[in-house]
Amino acid sequence: EADIYQTPRYLVIGTGKKITLECSQTMGHDKMYWYQQDPGMELHLIHYSYGVNSTEKGDLSSESTVSRIRTEHFPLTLESARPSHTSQYLCASSAGQNYGYTFGSGTRLTVV
Amino acid sequence: GESVGLHLPTLSVQEGDNSIINCAYSNSASDYFIWYKQESGKGPQFIIDIRSNMDKRQGQRVTVLLNKTVKHLSLQIAATQPGDSAVYFCAEIYTDKLIFGTGTRLQVFP
Repeated sequence: EADIYQTPRYLVIGTGKKITLECSQTMGHDKMYWYQQDPGMELHLIHYSYGVNSTEKGDLSSESTVSRIRTEHFPLTLESARPSHTSQYLCASSAGQNYGYTFGSGTRLTVV
Repeated sequence: GESVGLHLPTLSVQEGDNSIINCAYSNSASDYFIWYKQESGKGPQFIIDIRSNMDKRQGQRVTVLLNKTVKHLSLQIAATQPGDSAVYFCAEIYTDKLIFGTGTRLQVFP
């Protein structure tokens, strides 16, 4: 039973298009994260937020941007999609450093 | 550094045998470690965690061992079942960020 939701699950889009990947959680967690994962590879942190109006870039450079206007919502936007953005994007939330992370099912993005 | 790495990319075991997945971490300041299971097309699923003040923690069919001296973490799965087939990641929490290793694919054959 998922308490963190990502939409869409799959997305195929043309080069140059603007897209927004949605992530919502119902657990009231302050901390939220976006990871990028290529097939069979590790997850790389690209963005995180410690609360409303707080966003930071992660360890892996990304051309995407994020916003955190509401606690439960942490959307990721690509202004101009490119084939190099093809990957899986996973959203996660946490109650704090001493607690585990809960992951969504991910959005698999293909840019053609 | 803050890297976390796994020793073996693929592990094949026979159903019913025990599985051991190893992980090396490099950040001695990390004090919380988590093992995740990721099935195809899904997000990582929490398996078990351990804090740095512990050497061993047991769950249902799974045991995590932590050796801080050599910065080594392992996941033991008892009586491996076909449903255990997945990619397993170890991760460490450092400065409130979860840092993942490469992952080990566990394949269970009859």
